[in-house]
Amino acid sequence: EVLLVESGGGLVQPGGSLRLSCAASGFTFNTHYLSWVRQAPGKGLEWVASINQDGSEEHYVDSLKGRFTISRDNAEESLYLQIHSLRVDDTAVYYCAVDVSGSHWGQGTLVTVSS
Amino acid sequence: DIQMTQSPSSLSASVGDRVTITCRASQGINNYLAWFQQRPGKAPKSLIYAASTLQSGVPSKFSGSGSGTDFTLTINSLQPEDFATYYCQHYNSYPLTFGGGTKVEIK
Repeated sequence: EVLLVESGGGLVQPGGSLRLSCAASGFTFNTHYLSWVRQAPGKGLEWVASINQDGSEEHYVDSLKGRFTISRDNAEESLYLQIHSLRVDDTAVYYCAVDVSGSHWGQGTLVTVSS
Repeated sequence: DIQMTQSPSSLSASVGDRVTITCRASQGINNYLAWFQQRPGKAPKSLIYAASTLQSGVPSKFSGSGSGTDFTLTINSLQPEDFATYYCQHYNSYPLTFGGGTKVEIK
């Protein structure tokens, strides 16, 4: 069974940084693209970033480029999202997902940006 | 960027009804289209990929069709657990984008 467990969310002040993690199991980790998708409270889904199987290719939504960095550790079967200069409108549940078609999703981790 | 437009944004239906949700892409995306179900307070769940291929374990009451720019998700014989929000998403190119969602409510 595919299992994705996100962690690292919490309350952070504007301008702060966070590193989100996604621990994966139940599938051949190093053969799949991975993605981060976020959902602001009461809003729809927004794709954030994707990374290819060996981590050599990263893609980001333009509006977040420069503040968000996606990475992966295939040995640890983990996906990461580093976020800098957090803004109030970054408040959202952040999900990790397998494949660009979103075949499997984690339960999400809530990031709240507030002073 | 490719824009994905879903319609309707919400609908009311009764248990046992069949409902159809449409998703239109602003340019051709071949069949690189996925559908997701999201129940309140839960993570999205994959239903369909490649426009019409059912994800493993998803009941056959769900079906998808279309290619190019126009796509549909059909749900047969609505049951209480099907009342949720449904999203389409293209993965033809970056940036990936989602439709705005369709909330299916009980009439």
